[in-house]
Formats: sequence, structure tokens, C-alpha cells
Amino acid sequence: RKEVEQDPGPFNVPEGATVAFNCTYSNSASQSFFWYRQDCRKEPKLLMSVYSSGNEDGRFTAQLNRASQYISLLIRDSKLSDSATYLCAVERSGYALNFGKGTSLLVTP
Amino acid sequence: DTGVSQDPRHKITKRGQNVTFRCDPISEHNRLYWYRQTLGQGPEFLTYFQNEAQLEKSRLLSDRFSAERPKGSFSTLEIQRTEQGDSAMYLCASSPAGPDTQYFGPGTRLTVL
Repeated sequence: RKEVEQDPGPFNVPEGATVAFNCTYSNSASQSFFWYRQDCRKEPKLLMSVYSSGNEDGRFTAQLNRASQYISLLIRDSKLSDSATYLCAVERSGYALNFGKGTSLLVTP
Repeated sequence: DTGVSQDPRHKITKRGQNVTFRCDPISEHNRLYWYRQTLGQGPEFLTYFQNEAQLEKSRLLSDRFSAERPKGSFSTLEIQRTEQGDSAMYLCASSPAGPDTQYFGPGTRLTVL
């Protein structure tokens, strides 16, 4: 089993739609969780950290379920500019990260 | 620009040649990480430093790979006797101490012919 697994995508959604991405992880000892956004041929950029209580940043909501070892990202009111690959990242030893393969999102007019 | 910088941004080399990449982290970040990313995959952890100490190496880091961070500031990643399978984006990230956000550099794209 891979350390971090994500929905393969791609997700094609119209502007204004709500879209959810899921991620599961295998290391129950992990303490830190993140969602990164990566544009084509660019470096990953932090979108948001994920906390046990869940957290929201504008149109973006992240949830963590430790019992199920599951992380989610919800994007509401999708914009064209949200088109990117979304990477789930889970802490491994030494605070380095294990990443999922990423889920590609294309928001269409 | 006070972000993570990497040099070169692109490198094309012939199989069997040695290459070296440099990463300059955000100043005052004492943790520095190297990742490799191939097309369609997420970044894969290679190694990380806390100050000048290399604390962990992934099994992906074969004997042909070596990384250094001699003064706890910039870091270099060297690949000896490159192979076509080494073609990838090599990403560097840095963070302050502890479980904190990692900031990535723009990466070095390596193509081995």
C-alpha cells in the first residue's frame, strides 16, 4: 500500500461547482497534514494545513479524520484559476513529507 | 526575492556525466529537504538536513547520489554517472525547525539523454 493515496482524477467541473478531493494515508503516527497546489511545470505551493478540528480558508475547507486516516479538501464556487493539481502531503519522519500523486482539476467556463 | 532558490533551472546532460544542483533556502530556515518529481507523480522524498547534519536518506538515493549542506546554509545535490531514469524535476524545500510549512524552490529540471 502506498503511503499516501489520492483520487486519480482528472476532475472536470464547471465554474461555480463544488468539488471534493480525498486522500488516505497509511502512517497512523503522522501528525502534520497539508494540501499543496501545483500548477503545470511549477513548484508545489502550500494551499493549507489540515488540523484535527478542520479548517476553512475562504472557499477552501480541509478536514482530517484520524480514525479513518483520511483527509479531504472541499472547494466551493470553483473559479477558472483553481485549475491545477492538488497534492495531499503527510508528515513522515523528520517532518519531511510523503505526497500523493496529485489530483488534477480543470474548471471550465 | 527571499524565497527558496535553485540553480540551474534546467540541465541537459548525457548519460554517464556528473551533475550538481544547488539550493539556497530561506534564510534562518534550518531544515532543508530534497525531493524528486517525475511526470504524473507527486514529489518523492530524497533526503533532508537539519543545519549541516544529513539526518535521513531515502532508499531512492542510490550510491550515485550525494547531498551536502556544509555550513548549514545552501545545499548541493550531486548525481554521478547519470542514467536516463534520473530525468526528473529536483525540488528543494526549506522550513524552520519543527513540524512547519515547507516552502519549495522552483526546481531543477534534469534531462538525461
